[in-house]
Amino acid sequence: GAGVSQSPSNKVTEKGKDVELRCDPISGHTALYWYRQSLGQGLEFLIYFQGNSAPDKSGLPSDRFSAERTGGSVSTLTIQRTQQEDSAVYLCASSLAGRPGTGELFFGEGSRLTVL
Amino acid sequence: GESVGLHLPTLSVQEGDNSIINCAYSNSASDYFIWYKQESGKGPQFIIDIRSNMDKRQGQRVTVLLNKTVKHLSLQIAATQPGDSAVYFCAENYSGSRLTFGEGTQLTVNP
Repeated sequence: GAGVSQSPSNKVTEKGKDVELRCDPISGHTALYWYRQSLGQGLEFLIYFQGNSAPDKSGLPSDRFSAERTGGSVSTLTIQRTQQEDSAVYLCASSLAGRPGTGELFFGEGSRLTVL
Repeated sequence: GESVGLHLPTLSVQEGDNSIINCAYSNSASDYFIWYKQESGKGPQFIIDIRSNMDKRQGQRVTVLLNKTVKHLSLQIAATQPGDSAVYFCAENYSGSRLTFGEGTQLTVNP
């Protein structure tokens, strides 16, 4: 497809387990963002990748969260030792290069994480 | 700025009426603003953006107004349709990669 693809769409896990969420950005988009959306709330910035530059990790809530982007394309968000407060929808977005945080971000449909 | 809570502000309008969704942003240094629409179960979708050197920008059926004096942003939707029912988010950016989103407003269009 031509849009941002995220997997899995739904993930239920037990507290303490590790999870990996995957994002396939739009081909040619060099900027990639991860956001988190809790029920009924706005989007919380997590991390930003741009080309080969060092990522902006300033939004990651704890050291249990990490993300990587391989080959400037696919990105994986990893949450270690999940906690119940990690339950949320994790949204990935990509955009064409430009000033970070501006321009049209194309969002995927998100990965819904439920930690029991 | 962002607020904490499970209950979104709501706006209910009749089909065909004009809608105005308001947003108060937090950072007086922000110079870029954007509106997104999010339908249930989907990711946000870009509607329109505006830079701080403008106070009004029009798109198709939508207009964004920016009042930097009071840090206020609004989205006007003309001739609202049932398909416009969604949660609408404003977002601001002043530097770096972080786009800061507001809490969102639930728009319901009654046929």
